[in-house]
Amino acid sequence: QVQLVQSGAEVKKPGASVKVSCKASGYTFINYDFTWVRQAPGQGLEWMGRISTYRGNPKYAPKIQGRVTMTTDTSTSTAYMELRSLRSDDTAIYYCARTIFGLVSYFDYWGQGTLVTVSS
Amino acid sequence: QSVLTQPPSVSGAPGQRLTISCTGSSSNIGAGYDVHWYQQLPGTAPKLLIYDNTNRPSGVPDRFSGSKSGTSASLAITGLQAEDEADYYCQSYDSSLSGSVFGGGTKLTVL
Repeated sequence: QVQLVQSGAEVKKPGASVKVSCKASGYTFINYDFTWVRQAPGQGLEWMGRISTYRGNPKYAPKIQGRVTMTTDTSTSTAYMELRSLRSDDTAIYYCARTIFGLVSYFDYWGQGTLVTVSS
Repeated sequence: QSVLTQPPSVSGAPGQRLTISCTGSSSNIGAGYDVHWYQQLPGTAPKLLIYDNTNRPSGVPDRFSGSKSGTSASLAITGLQAEDEADYYCQSYDSSLSGSVFGGGTKLTVL
C-alpha cells in the first residue's frame, strides 16, 4: 500500500533553516510528482510548490520563492523540502503529497505531517 | 484571503443533504480549470475526496458528489453522518499565480 512517512517535529530559531523528509513506499517512486503543502495553526491549506521526481524542475509558490528548495532522491525514494530564513509565521504543519500530474494536479496520498515551530 | 472562496462553516442534522460552495474567478475555475476536494478530519492529514470536478476515488462513499459551473464548484453531501464532521477544502489552478490554490476551508458540523 502507498505510504508517505515524514520526518519528526522540529523547533527552530528565527533565521535558521529546516529540512523535512518524506519517504515513499508501495509504488514506483519516479512515476509521480511530489507537492508540499503547509497549514499554520488553526488555518487553511497553503500550496508551497511541486517537484517532478523524474525531471526535477521544481515550481514554487511566489510567497516563498527564494527561501525554499524541493528535491528528491530516487535511490531512497525520498522527497525533501528545505525552508531557509525561518520566521515565526513559518510555524506550521508541513505535508508532502503524492501528485497526480495533469492540467490541474491533485494529491491522492499525503504524509502524516511534520510540525515545524519557529520560536526564539 | 484565499483565491478560492468557501463559506467558513456549514451545519446540518444527520440524514440531511448539504452543499459547500467554492467560488473562484476568471483566472482559475472560470478559466476552465478542474476542481478537487479534500476532507480533513480533526488532527489528521487531508484526504482526497473528489477529483476532476466529479470523480470519487475508490473507497469514497457515493454520498459525496461534486459539480462545477462557471466560476464556481460545489461539494454535495447526502445522508449526513456524524463521521462527516470535518474541514473541507477545494483546490484548483490559478493562471495568475501559476500554481495550485486552495479555498479557505469549510468546517462542517453535524448537529
